[in-house]
Amino acid sequence: EAGVAQSPRYKIIEKRQSVAFWCNPISGHATLYWYQQILGQGPKLLIQFQNNGVVDDSQLPKDRFSAERLKGVDSTLKIQPAKLEDSAVYLCASSLGQWTGQETQYFGPGTRLLVL
Amino acid sequence: AQRVTQPEKLLSVFKGAPVELKCNYSYSGSPELFWYVQYSRQRLQLLLRHISRESIKGFTADLNKGETSFHLKKPFAQEEDSAMYYCALSKDSNYQLIWGAGTKLIIKP
Repeated sequence: EAGVAQSPRYKIIEKRQSVAFWCNPISGHATLYWYQQILGQGPKLLIQFQNNGVVDDSQLPKDRFSAERLKGVDSTLKIQPAKLEDSAVYLCASSLGQWTGQETQYFGPGTRLLVL
Repeated sequence: AQRVTQPEKLLSVFKGAPVELKCNYSYSGSPELFWYVQYSRQRLQLLLRHISRESIKGFTADLNKGETSFHLKKPFAQEEDSAMYYCALSKDSNYQLIWGAGTKLIIKP
């Protein structure tokens, strides 16, 4: 079974530039998560999708971050314009979406973003 | 407020010694707790969940509701246990995970 795929793996941009990340979840997984992980911290949820609908985006800085999952499969996360404090690893995860507290999340390799 | 605390950023023990990684939580509902692990150059992955009450790679974790803790233990550490360990709590409202900051475990030969 193929795992969660993310691209690119690394990205270096200057502040005020824009950047986009792509995620392909495990086939059949209805729930998709985007996390931001700043060095030395645990993952912080940015947005959660169930199929192509948003379940929670309360921690997404909507003035500069946007995300979509148009066909309920792949997802993109965009930052425009980027700030220095956006430097982090962006993790995508997926789960079956059976809405149980015991559901396992499967993670992609992450995209390491450096904003200069 | 819902919170997961891992008090140790770094834990270093010798091979063969017992290991205990601490996790404390703050949550008013019925928590579901997990340990995730990230080995060097690998993805974050589930290690174990409290409801399973199973031992994975020799690790166990017991939920102590009185002390609001979910410490991860292994009686005899192996070098391959060196990794980053994260404790996470699933909220019963929407099953999102709240994460601790992680503990880096180093097993010395």
